[in-house]
Amino acid sequence: QSALTQPASVSGSPGQSITISCTGTSSDVGGYNFVSWYQQHPGKAPKLIIYEVSNRPSGISNRFSGSKSGNTASLTISGLQAEDEADYYCNSYTSSNTRVFGGGTKVTVL
Amino acid sequence: EVQLVESGGGLVQPGKSLRLSCAASGFTFNDYAMHWVRQVPGKGLEWVSSINWNTVDIDYADSVKGRFTISRDNAKSSLYLQMNSLRAEDTALYYCAKDAHFACDFWGQGTMVTVSS
Repeated sequence: QSALTQPASVSGSPGQSITISCTGTSSDVGGYNFVSWYQQHPGKAPKLIIYEVSNRPSGISNRFSGSKSGNTASLTISGLQAEDEADYYCNSYTSSNTRVFGGGTKVTVL
Repeated sequence: EVQLVESGGGLVQPGKSLRLSCAASGFTFNDYAMHWVRQVPGKGLEWVSSINWNTVDIDYADSVKGRFTISRDNAKSSLYLQMNSLRAEDTALYYCAKDAHFACDFWGQGTMVTVSS
């Protein structure tokens, strides 16, 4: 159950687009379309922003989008805003019927 | 409105036990799988365990297998985590989360567990 691999940090200027990668294996990310993404602001509980690779829950801005290619999933934030500054985590279902998170990515809005 | 309220955390000595609870409201509890996820302050999220609606399907992270037991009482809309043989590395904020579409769509605010002598 090794953690999925995410970059430790990503930054961008307001209005720009950034992409966070999440790399796993064929036993998790590559094997199932059950990748989800979470946003966590300091001192707050995580918030679901993408499920099943590319679906947004009700109320989540369409500036957030998800995709997957092979063993790597990606989260793109377009039109970056100050409020997007937070930690982001990916998660995948695995072949062992467990779940695994990525190590997290800190997004900084410059 | 979905609400998940965890309780039962606290300071416990290594080797001892603790039972966490999560009171759910605002949705039909027995229709959904549930999860426990933990987070060491300042660190990342770690999935701990999940249980499906009728307790037939239960899974654990390798780090807690054999020591932790997840359970639920659908009549009380409550989720539990029995933690035995606690170790210093189990120190974390423990969240309960509701499952939907193989994701955790709602989270509680967490209960802190500190394992220290």
